[in-house]
Amino acid sequence: EPEVTQTPSHQVTQMGQEVILRCVPISNHLYFYWYRQILGQKVEFLVSFYNNEISEKSEIFDDQFSVERPDGSNFTLKIRSTKLEDSAMYFCASSAGAGGANEQFFGPGTRLTVL
Amino acid sequence: GQQLNQSPQSMFIQEGEDVSMNCTSSSIFNTWLWYKQDPGEGPVLLIALYKAGELTSNGRLTAQFGITRKDSFLNISASIPSDVGIYFCAGQALNNAGNMLTFGGGTRLMVKP
Repeated sequence: EPEVTQTPSHQVTQMGQEVILRCVPISNHLYFYWYRQILGQKVEFLVSFYNNEISEKSEIFDDQFSVERPDGSNFTLKIRSTKLEDSAMYFCASSAGAGGANEQFFGPGTRLTVL
Repeated sequence: GQQLNQSPQSMFIQEGEDVSMNCTSSSIFNTWLWYKQDPGEGPVLLIALYKAGELTSNGRLTAQFGITRKDSFLNISASIPSDVGIYFCAGQALNNAGNMLTFGGGTRLMVKP
């Protein structure tokens, strides 16, 4: 069964460093998303991406964050200068389409630890 | 922003018991989804609901989309130890251009064998 994959599973970085989190969405999906989950809290939306541009972003997704689809299979989230409060699980998700009957499927996540 | 209130926050039940959890919102959603999350893993989709009043089952799981479009419940019948985990509701509003999902706070389910 097709699934969303993410690498690395765990990333440790120093405050102020740049990190790139990688995702391979399900192959025939057209909509891609990033969510984050701070330890013990609920999942929060960061950004959605379609047709090579951002469709929607939350307040969390400030100018330190960027997304890119560098090729036909990968979808990346970059944090330019990490802060302690960026420590969280980051989940990539994808869906075949938009709106009704287009469920979002989540990857296993990348645990980001900022020291 | 939109908020989903999920209850209960946690449940500790005996194996074989039925479980019920629900989500409510002050906003209307046009899609309700229920996910399960195991420790250290991503949310796994259990049930998706698209129409007000819709009742959908997936094995021992049953979920309903409230008539007002502002609530949903998930029932698990005859619980087993592998049902342990955190259950999240998520809603998608009609006016979300980017298909954003708003998640509830989660219900942590613990099952005693």
